Amino acid sequence: QQQVKQSPQSLIVQKGGISIINCAYENTAFDYFPWYQQFPGKGPALLIAIRPDVSEKKEGRFTISFNKSAKQFSLHIMDSQPGDSATYFCAARTIGNEKLTFGTGTRLTIIP
Amino acid sequence: ETGVTQSPTHLIKTRGQQVTLRCSSQSGHNTVSWYQQALGQGPQFIFQYYREEENGRGNFPPRFSGLQFPNYSSELNVNALELDDSALYLCASSLVGNTEAFFGQGTRLTVV
Repeated sequence: QQQVKQSPQSLIVQKGGISIINCAYENTAFDYFPWYQQFPGKGPALLIAIRPDVSEKKEGRFTISFNKSAKQFSLHIMDSQPGDSATYFCAARTIGNEKLTFGTGTRLTIIP
Repeated sequence: ETGVTQSPTHLIKTRGQQVTLRCSSQSGHNTVSWYQQALGQGPQFIFQYYREEENGRGNFPPRFSGLQFPNYSSELNVNALELDDSALYLCASSLVGNTEAFFGQGTRLTVV
């Protein structure tokens, strides 16, 4: 059972544009939602994370928007740069349980 | 860099053989989790170790086993390798009760 659904599978954005990746979850016990960035041949790197008691969290060019009632959250990358080209994974976890449940990933390509 | 190191980086094994993968956790982290990432997929939780004991397991058969040592480093052992075991194996360390998990660069296992 896939508990975290991620879309789109791939995304092409022009340099300077906004990249938006969406995730939806089913398990209402989830209460920690991180986003990971992964470059080819590397492990996932924690980018930004949110808990459901806030609707938005911003760190630099990266923003998470969270809609608890809809059980959806999204990653927005402002002023997208070629160096942002990578695969992005949303994930979810229940506090106190170290297991992360990942989405299927979005391959982001930023073109000049 | 996260401070989580894995060895070896690449490995080729024959079907039916056994393999041991190693992970050194980030300094101060007492929990280690292992994930399997098939090509084009998100990481899937295998199991977690805390205080040298298995503390949660995903949907993986018993031929996947592990160890955690007093210095919090860990091993993942896979017996009777199958072709479908070919994947990137990721180790993540964290501090129990803390939400952030940091991944190593992974070990690419190819079973032929």
